[in-house]
Amino acid sequence: AQSVTQPDIHITVSEGASLELRCNYSYGATPYLFWYVQSPGQGLQLLLKYFSGDTLVQGIKGFEAEFKRSQSSFNLRKPSVHWSDAAEYFCAVGPHNYGQNFVFGPGTRLSVLP
Amino acid sequence: EADIYQTPRYLVIGTGKKITLECSQTMGHDKMYWYQQDPGMELHLIHYSYGVNSTEKGDLSSESTVSRIRTEHFPLTLESARPSHTSQYLCASSESRGGSAFFGQGTRLTVV
Repeated sequence: AQSVTQPDIHITVSEGASLELRCNYSYGATPYLFWYVQSPGQGLQLLLKYFSGDTLVQGIKGFEAEFKRSQSSFNLRKPSVHWSDAAEYFCAVGPHNYGQNFVFGPGTRLSVLP
Repeated sequence: EADIYQTPRYLVIGTGKKITLECSQTMGHDKMYWYQQDPGMELHLIHYSYGVNSTEKGDLSSESTVSRIRTEHFPLTLESARPSHTSQYLCASSESRGGSAFFGQGTRLTVV
């Protein structure tokens, strides 16, 4: 069965500092991987996705993520965090086959100090 | 541009009332989903659909029901709202496999 873990429930960084949010997955084949961001009271917005090819993917808002098959990881990074990045971040594995659904991690809440 | 709409955005309703949360998408996606999410918590899949006339129950048991009469429309109904139904409800759509999920803005439901 597919599963997604995000080891950090809450991370606090200072504005301008670098950021890395961790995501580990369990899946039998090469997964479809996603990162979403959710601001309070809003839906989820797609930041980036990995389907195949280059293991370093670029997304919106200056985010990037790297797929590491050997570590079953898909960590999200940003070199310099802005106050507006404070939000909840969800990693997800997407469906390969007709009978599968998205599996979301529990989320990591990011706080940004001025 | 991904377009998926949920109405209403906010709803406060009395116990025992019947409510329908609307969700529409203009992307022609076959698959649609309803998730329930408490503030700051994880998403729980409560219903999904593979296409017209298809509805399935998700991982979290829910007293709500859904219908899929048209590809673009996937409403969720609570026949008798209770305070335990207070939560945020998120609708999403995607291609059946290999695509991204696109989410609506959510409906924040409060049952008093």
